[in-house]
Amino acid sequence: KAGVTQTPRYLIKTRGQQVTLSCSPISGHRSVSWYQQTPGQGLQFLFEYFSETQRNKGNFPGRFSGRQFSNSRSEMNVSTLELGDSALYLCASSSGLAGGPGETQYFGPGTRLLVL
Amino acid sequence: AQSVAQPEDQVNVAEGNPLTVKCTYSVSGNPYLFWYVQYPNRGLQFLLKYITGDNLVKGSYGFEAEFNKSQTSFHLKKPSALVSDSALYFCAVTPAEGGRRALTFGSGTRLQVQP
Repeated sequence: KAGVTQTPRYLIKTRGQQVTLSCSPISGHRSVSWYQQTPGQGLQFLFEYFSETQRNKGNFPGRFSGRQFSNSRSEMNVSTLELGDSALYLCASSSGLAGGPGETQYFGPGTRLLVL
Repeated sequence: AQSVAQPEDQVNVAEGNPLTVKCTYSVSGNPYLFWYVQYPNRGLQFLLKYITGDNLVKGSYGFEAEFNKSQTSFHLKKPSALVSDSALYFCAVTPAEGGRRALTFGSGTRLQVQP
């Protein structure tokens, strides 16, 4: 099976712009979670989507949003970019069903966003 | 709220020697615990997890971890380190109850294996 794919891999934006990142989960997986990784804050949970619905949300401002499509692909959007949004954004997928929170989340390679 | 502590920023070990990467956690109720590894410019790669049952969990690439409820620890171990094990290791926890798939990660431990 192909793993989790994320596009683009690298992105440079300027302050005030918005950005959209894409994630394709492992085939058959219906849960997609997003995490932000920065040197200062480490790995932090952004949100989780399952069956096109946001199921859980982390402690991030409303500038961070996401959505999931019927084929389980997910996008996250960051509006009005700030310098502090520079980070590696990681997407993870799991089947989202019976295993619950004990299910293994499989991570993609990430999108590295640089905000200038 | 849950938390994970990885007290060592870096662990140095000689190739062939045993290695231990420490992790302690805090969570309400029962924990689900995970170890991931990250190589440069890569995402996180799953190593192993504790859900329930045997306290000694075996995972990929010869790694294992021992769940200790009384000490709230989940240390990662390997009997014989390889140079290729050099990477950044993350411990993560999520409560077993509540259904959230939101992992809380530790700050990471860089493992350096010297030839």
